Amino acid sequence: AQSVTQPDIHITVSEGASLELRCNYSYGATPYLFWYVQSPGQGLQLLLKYFSGDTLVQGIKGFEAEFKRSQSSFNLRKPSVHWSDAAEYFCAVVPILTGGGNKLTFGTGTQLKVEL
Amino acid sequence: NAGVTQTPKFQVLKTGQSMTLQCAQDMNHNSMYWYRQDPGMGLRLIYYSASEGTTDKGEVPNGYNVSRLNKREFSLRLESAAPSQTSVYFCASSVQGDSGANVLTFGAGSRLTVL
Repeated sequence: AQSVTQPDIHITVSEGASLELRCNYSYGATPYLFWYVQSPGQGLQLLLKYFSGDTLVQGIKGFEAEFKRSQSSFNLRKPSVHWSDAAEYFCAVVPILTGGGNKLTFGTGTQLKVEL
Repeated sequence: NAGVTQTPKFQVLKTGQSMTLQCAQDMNHNSMYWYRQDPGMGLRLIYYSASEGTTDKGEVPNGYNVSRLNKREFSLRLESAAPSQTSVYFCASSVQGDSGANVLTFGAGSRLTVL
C-alpha cells in the first residue's frame, strides 16, 4: 500500500545539537516530497520541497533535506538546533500520477522537543 | 495580506448539532482543501476543490459536506455532529503548481469539540 512513514513520534535534542528527522515513503514512482512544520497552535508552514534535480534541497530556517531514491527516504536535517525549532514536523508526498490526481498525503508527524 | 482565514477558531457542539466552518483565501489560488488533524494520525484530507465549481472527496469525507462558494471561499459543513468529529480542522489553498505539484498554504486551524 502507498504510505508515508515517520518512524519517530517524539525526538528530544539539546540546543546546538544536530537534528535528523526521518521520512520514508512507499510509492511506485518517486513522488513530490515536502516537509512542513507546525508550531503550537499554528497552521502548517512549508520548510522545503523536492520535485526533481539536486537531491539535497535547502529550505527555510536553516533546514535541509536529502532525497535518497535507493532508500525511498527524504530525511530532514539541521546542523544546529535552536530552542525556537521546537514544533511538530510533517513529511508529505504527492504521488505523480498520470491523468491528474495530486492530493497531498501526510505522515503522522514527529514532535521535536529542544532542551536548553 | 491575510493568506488563508478560518472561522471560527474554537467551537463546542453537542452531538447532533450542525455547523459550518468557513474558509477564505486572498491569494487568488485555484485549489482549496479541508484537512482534519488528530493525535498520532497526522493530517487527513476530507474534501478538496481543484478549481472553482468542483469538489471531490478525500480520504475521510463521511459526515461532511463542502461548498466552493466562489474562488475565494470554501466551507465545510457538519450536518449532524458526532464525538468522532472532535478534531482540529485546517483549510488550505494552493496554486496548481507545475506538473501538478501543490505547495499548500494553511490557515491557523479551527478546534472543534463535540460533546
